[in-house]
Amino acid sequence: GQSLEQPSEVTAVEGAIVQINCTYQTSGFYGLSWYQQHDGGAPTFLSYNALDGLEETGRFSSFLSRSDSYGYLLLQELQMKDSASYFCAVRDSGSSASKIIFGSGTRLSIRP
Amino acid sequence: GAGVSQSPSNKVTEKGKDVELRCDPISGHTALYWYRQSLGQGLEFLIYFQGNSAPDKSGLPSDRFSAERTGGSVSTLTIQRTQQEDSAVYLCASSLTGDVGYTFGSGTRLTVV
Repeated sequence: GQSLEQPSEVTAVEGAIVQINCTYQTSGFYGLSWYQQHDGGAPTFLSYNALDGLEETGRFSSFLSRSDSYGYLLLQELQMKDSASYFCAVRDSGSSASKIIFGSGTRLSIRP
Repeated sequence: GAGVSQSPSNKVTEKGKDVELRCDPISGHTALYWYRQSLGQGLEFLIYFQGNSAPDKSGLPSDRFSAERTGGSVSTLTIQRTQQEDSAVYLCASSLTGDVGYTFGSGTRLTVV
């Protein structure tokens, strides 16, 4: 079956850098996505990696290594508003018509 | 519309009653998902519609759950004979092509008492 693993909780200090890791097992691979969800809110799309390497979008970057079945989300210059849950997600096969599976989420808490 | 719209936003129902949850995806989006999220938990896949293809129903937890998508647009998730364990937030998401960048609705919080 397909599975994703990510830490359940991470704590960091305002202004610092934090990395949230995600390892996955799928029968095929069609890209790794990241979503952010604030308490009581809906998940919002952050980034997508289909190929190896780093994708940067402002303070957020996402990395993928397909050979290691591993990716991470890097958040820089942390702000209190970044306190949220972060989910990695993959398709469960190598087909673009297959469903997307989410990890259990990493709750990021930021201290002043 | 500008975003994915779900209704109702909150629903309290008695155990054993049927409920219908509605999702209006972004106009033109061919892919539509239903997920379920219990408090503090991850997103549990329920069902996936992609264009005119047969839906992927592999995530529906029991035969009490069903979903339709009419005209490739609005979708309805129906839960029959609700149980307390059905209490959760039900999220709908849509995407233009089904590849990436899904937009989620605000969800329906279902409470079965």
